[in-house]
Amino acid sequence: GAGVSQSPSNKVTEKGKDVELRCDPISGHTALYWYRQSLGQGLEFLIYFQGNSAPDKSGLPSDRFSAERTGGSVSTLTIQRTQQEDSAVYLCASSLEVATGERYGYTFGSGTRLTVV
Amino acid sequence: GNSVTQMEGPVTLSEEAFLTINCTYTATGYPSLFWYVQYPGEGLQLLLKATKADDKGSNKGFEATYRKETTSFHLEKGSVQVSDSAVYFCALYSTGTASKLTFGTGTRLQVTL
Repeated sequence: GAGVSQSPSNKVTEKGKDVELRCDPISGHTALYWYRQSLGQGLEFLIYFQGNSAPDKSGLPSDRFSAERTGGSVSTLTIQRTQQEDSAVYLCASSLEVATGERYGYTFGSGTRLTVV
Repeated sequence: GNSVTQMEGPVTLSEEAFLTINCTYTATGYPSLFWYVQYPGEGLQLLLKATKADDKGSNKGFEATYRKETTSFHLEKGSVQVSDSAVYFCALYSTGTASKLTFGTGTRLQVTL
């Protein structure tokens, strides 16, 4: 597609429920990144995928968080047993590859605002 | 590890005032440096970048110079407009084991008439 698409744009869920957030990167971009933007916390790296390589999961805050990328395109971030501190805007970004991310930065989606009540 | 420190906001300026948003970084090697902007209700957009020391990135009247000696990448604009009101994020990219963008906490700019 023309840009990075994320869905849903807003999600309200009850504490303890599981949620899935979807990211559709720019067509042909092999690198995909997930960040979390919490109020007053800036952007926190969660995970990135580069082609068929093993993902870098070093930013996932707990084992309740997981992500997958099927077919090298669409990615789903899953949060199990949601907690109120998971409330944030979850941002997805993509780049042609990791190296181009270094030179040109990323293209970000508009994010999913998650509210856990 | 890598880190980015930005001045805390909010920064409130009158239209046509001069803007500086400070950014300093800590990184291994020679990172690339970026400024992103997030307008209200929108996602992050790349504003400008610099990939090596002494490079100057510029876009939409904004400028930032990569200063390796002071590990800084301050954002400047000579005359701000109300439409510049947004949150500005400084970021660095360092390859190797940390091949991802590391962001500062963001600085909110509010420009008034």
